[in-house]
Amino acid sequence: GAVVSQHPSWVICKSGTSVKIECRSLDFQATTMFWYRQFPKQSLMLMATSNEGSKATYEQGVEKDKFLINHASLTLSTLTVTSAHPEDSSFYICSASGRGGGKDTQYFGPGTRLTVL
Amino acid sequence: EDKVVQSPLSLVVHEGDTVTLNCSYEVTNFRSLLWYKQEKKAPTFLFMLTSSGIEKKSGRLSSILDKKELSSILNITATQTGDSAIYLCAVQGAQKLVFGQGTRLTINP
Repeated sequence: GAVVSQHPSWVICKSGTSVKIECRSLDFQATTMFWYRQFPKQSLMLMATSNEGSKATYEQGVEKDKFLINHASLTLSTLTVTSAHPEDSSFYICSASGRGGGKDTQYFGPGTRLTVL
Repeated sequence: EDKVVQSPLSLVVHEGDTVTLNCSYEVTNFRSLLWYKQEKKAPTFLFMLTSSGIEKKSGRLSSILDKKELSSILNITATQTGDSAIYLCAVQGAQKLVFGQGTRLTINP
């Protein structure tokens, strides 16, 4: 149980384009979803927290207009990187917690590797 | 500011050895401490600890929390090459999960 999927698993795009990443909780209702970014050889850095049906809460230093987060249902959250630039290249990981998955336990998706040329 | 520190940052041992990974934290409104294993992709959940002194065990892995010392250890006995990974410690505070830098464990055959 507590499976989280992400799509796509990797994406390469040109500078200036927008990229959408989907995160789904497959077997539980995710009341809260989290988006992290991980640069090589570094730990996970929380970007934002989103609760179903409400606006995401962004961490300090994360531009909310650049990283658009939508959590429209209890099983789906999306992260859109708008006007991506090479410095946005990173490993983006979502996690989910909620009913059936353990309130304080976050289950992670497999991650999306974004490369911006 | 909430902080989680892991040690060592890197560890190389031989197959069959026992290893102990450390995690210390300074987090306001502590709720739980979690251990994850990260190989090539995203972290996979190992343990969640909320109570001091109660060992959690899963096969060759075990972990315990010491709330007085604000720390936790993760033990792996009879290590195997498949245990090679980055082990992440994270602490759930009032607002969010704060991750340590991770310990990169390499098991040589």
